[in-house]
Amino acid sequence: DGGITQSPKYLFRKEGQNVTLSCEQNLNHDAMYWYRQDPGQGLRLIYYSQIVNDFQKGDIAEGYSVSREKKESFPLTVTSAQKNPTAFYLCASSSQAGRDNEQFFGPGTRLTVL
Amino acid sequence: GQQLNQSPQSMFIQEGEDVSMNCTSSSIFNTWLWYKQDPGEGPVLLIALYKAGELTSNGRLTAQFGITRKDSFLNISASIPSDVGIYFCAGTISGNTPLVFGKGTRLSVIA
Repeated sequence: DGGITQSPKYLFRKEGQNVTLSCEQNLNHDAMYWYRQDPGQGLRLIYYSQIVNDFQKGDIAEGYSVSREKKESFPLTVTSAQKNPTAFYLCASSSQAGRDNEQFFGPGTRLTVL
Repeated sequence: GQQLNQSPQSMFIQEGEDVSMNCTSSSIFNTWLWYKQDPGEGPVLLIALYKAGELTSNGRLTAQFGITRKDSFLNISASIPSDVGIYFCAGTISGNTPLVFGKGTRLSVIA
């Protein structure tokens, strides 16, 4: 089946540790995105990548890092510099051809920092 | 960053009632999208709108791209319990510009 996978579904980390969230897509989409969702805040863009080996900061990039070495993968690292990392993280992708504004989301990873 | 004004924030309705929600922006958009998110899951795309004045349906859902290009509306007819969730609007001016999301409308349906 084509789609976007995020793993793990739930992640627990101690304060001060870096953690990497996985996002993989087999939709052959060029663009990929990471969002953070907090209660009542909607979706806020962390980073996005429109092509392999290139990415741009979103609205809340501080304390996060990404890489885009392969078209199908866009991992997000939550570093110890992120002051409030506990949140629900969503990955999305979209095609750059045709209706390229239509983003499709993965199931999300809920990160809890203890 | 820019955000859309989505209203209402929450709604409690009886099963069978119709629902209306809307989104407004201070900027002109060329694309409006509506998503639904179930608890603990990622949002699912419901309807995409690409032309001012466009009216598009998906089953019991109907969405409209406002003629001013600064607003969009979503209607749900004859609501059922599985309509429960958070509905998000999103918009953008171009394909090279990331989507801007509203804060969502939380819908609760009372059987």
